[in-house]
Amino acid sequence: QQQVKQSPQSLIVQKGGISIINCAYENTAFDYFPWYQQFPGKGPALLIAIRPDVSEKKEGRFTISFNKSAKQFSLHIMDSQPGDSATYFCAASGGNNRLAFGKGNQVVVIP
Amino acid sequence: DAMVIQNPRYQVTQFGKPVTLSCSQTLNHNVMYWYQQKSSQAPKLLFHYYDKDFNNEADTPDNFQSRRPNTSFCFLDIRSPGLGDAAMYLCATSTQGGGPSYEQYFGPGTRLTVT
Repeated sequence: QQQVKQSPQSLIVQKGGISIINCAYENTAFDYFPWYQQFPGKGPALLIAIRPDVSEKKEGRFTISFNKSAKQFSLHIMDSQPGDSATYFCAASGGNNRLAFGKGNQVVVIP
Repeated sequence: DAMVIQNPRYQVTQFGKPVTLSCSQTLNHNVMYWYQQKSSQAPKLLFHYYDKDFNNEADTPDNFQSRRPNTSFCFLDIRSPGLGDAAMYLCATSTQGGGPSYEQYFGPGTRLTVT
């Protein structure tokens, strides 16, 4: 059973555009929601994370929006650049040392 | 810089020949994880150590074992690799004190090929 559902599966964005990836979860015990960025042949790198006590967190061009009542959160990449082309994973955790990952989203930013 | 290091980065082994992958960390984190990641899939947790306590995932095959001799090092042993075990193996660490979840930091991974 997929605990975190991620959409869309892939995304093609023009340089300078906004990339938006959505995730939904069911387990209300989740209290930590990170996003990971992974380039081919590399390990995932923590990009940004949010806890349910805030509805939005911004770090540079990356923003997480969190909707607790809808049990959804999303990653927005503003002014997308070709160097942002990667696979993005959302995840969730409820304090049991485990991360539940979404299936991943491949973002391609074309010049 | 504090980091998670995995060796080797690429490993080729023969079908059925035991192989060991290693992970070390300079972050002094008390939790260490091993994940398996196949192409175009999310990382799949195999097991993790909370300090010296070993926690196996229910669906991790017995073919996979792990050792953590000290805080800094953790090893993944695959006793009899099959073709289906070819994957990227990722080590990660986090610090956990019984409170809210903390970030997991991943190493660069070891790409395992089984011939």
